[in-house]
Parts: sequence; C-alpha cells; structure tokens
Amino acid sequence: AQTVTQSQPEMSVQEAETVTLSCTYDTSESDYYLFWYKQPPSRQMILVIRQEAYKQQNATENRFSVNFQKAAKSFSLKISDSQLGDAAMYFCAYRSMNRDDKIIFGKGTRLHILP
Amino acid sequence: GAGVSQSPRYKVAKRGQDVALRCDPISGHVSLFWYQQALGQGPEFLTYFQNEAQLDKSGLPSDRFFAERPEGSVSTLKIQRTQQEDSAVYLCASSLGGQTEQYFGPGTRLTVT
Repeated sequence: AQTVTQSQPEMSVQEAETVTLSCTYDTSESDYYLFWYKQPPSRQMILVIRQEAYKQQNATENRFSVNFQKAAKSFSLKISDSQLGDAAMYFCAYRSMNRDDKIIFGKGTRLHILP
Repeated sequence: GAGVSQSPRYKVAKRGQDVALRCDPISGHVSLFWYQQALGQGPEFLTYFQNEAQLDKSGLPSDRFFAERPEGSVSTLKIQRTQQEDSAVYLCASSLGGQTEQYFGPGTRLTVT
C-alpha cells in the first residue's frame, strides 16, 4: 500500500521569505502523480502543483516549486516570496497513474506567515 | 462555471441519528469520490463512483456508511446511527475520469454530540 508522510506538523515563515515543506512517500509503483494541495480555513482543497513521476524536471507554478527525488521518494515544496495569503494547511498527496484512482494524502503541515 | 457543491455545510447530529450528506459534482464529470477528514488529519478515501456504478467502497469504515449515485450525477453519503467518531469533514471530489484532475467541494462538517 502507498503511504505519504509529512513530518512537520507546523511551520512558520516571515513574509517575503522562502520556506520548504517536506514530504516522503512509499510506493512500489513506477507510474504515479504527486501533488501539493492547499487547504485554507474555508476547507476548499486547492491544487497547488502536480508532478508526474516519469518527468525528471521539477514542476513549478509561479512562486511554488518542487524538489522531486524519485529514488529517495522525496517530494518537497518550496514557496518563494511568502505572502499572507499562503497561510493554510498544505497536504502532500499521491495518486496512481494506472487507473482512475483515489488520492492518498499526508497528515498535512500548517503554514503560518509572520507579517 | 459552478464547482463542486456540498450540502449542508454544517450538520450537528445527536448520537444514534441518521444523516445524509449531498454532493453535486461538476456537470459532465463521470467520476465522484468521497473522502473523510478527521480534525487535524489529511483526507482519507471512502468510496468512488464512475457514473452510477460504485466501483470502490473499500474505505467505508463500517456498514453504517452507505453511498449512492443513482443517476450518475448527484451523490448522497448516508451515515446510520451516527457515533462520535463519525465527527469529521466529509469532502466530495469529481473529475472527468481517467487521469484528470479531481476538483473538491467545500466539504460538510459533521459534529456528532
């Protein structure tokens, strides 16, 4: 079975600084997706960034980028130029590429932005 | 266009009561997923529909949980004889199927007293 582990329950970063959220996962599959989702207090789960496992290039979306290390099964999220609106729960997640499948989430990291 | 909607947004139930939670997926989305998110945790899969067919219900925690999607659109998650451990946010997600993105609704927060 696949598992996703986030070892940082909470993190804080000064506004305009850079922060990195960590994630490791375990799978025996070779084809899969990895995601970072943002969940603000409104509870709406918002997709931040997606990485296909077969792609060597790390995904980027504006201020958000990932460091995908397939052999180490590591998938960290870097947020540059942190903004107050970035404060939320962040979930690392896994999904098999082989079928229309459920998403497996980590326990989340609560990110605080200090003004 | 409208996203995934869920109702009610909040539900308080006394222990032992039955509840029904509704999900309206994005129009045209064939796949629908239910997840349960306990306080301070990540969402956990409950069940999956492709159109009206329930293809995976391996995540339903007990036979008190039942889900249906009779016409392949709106889905209802029913919990019978609610227990305190059922208190959680219930998230619904829909997609076009295959490897396409799942879009999440705002969730229903269920509190069992």
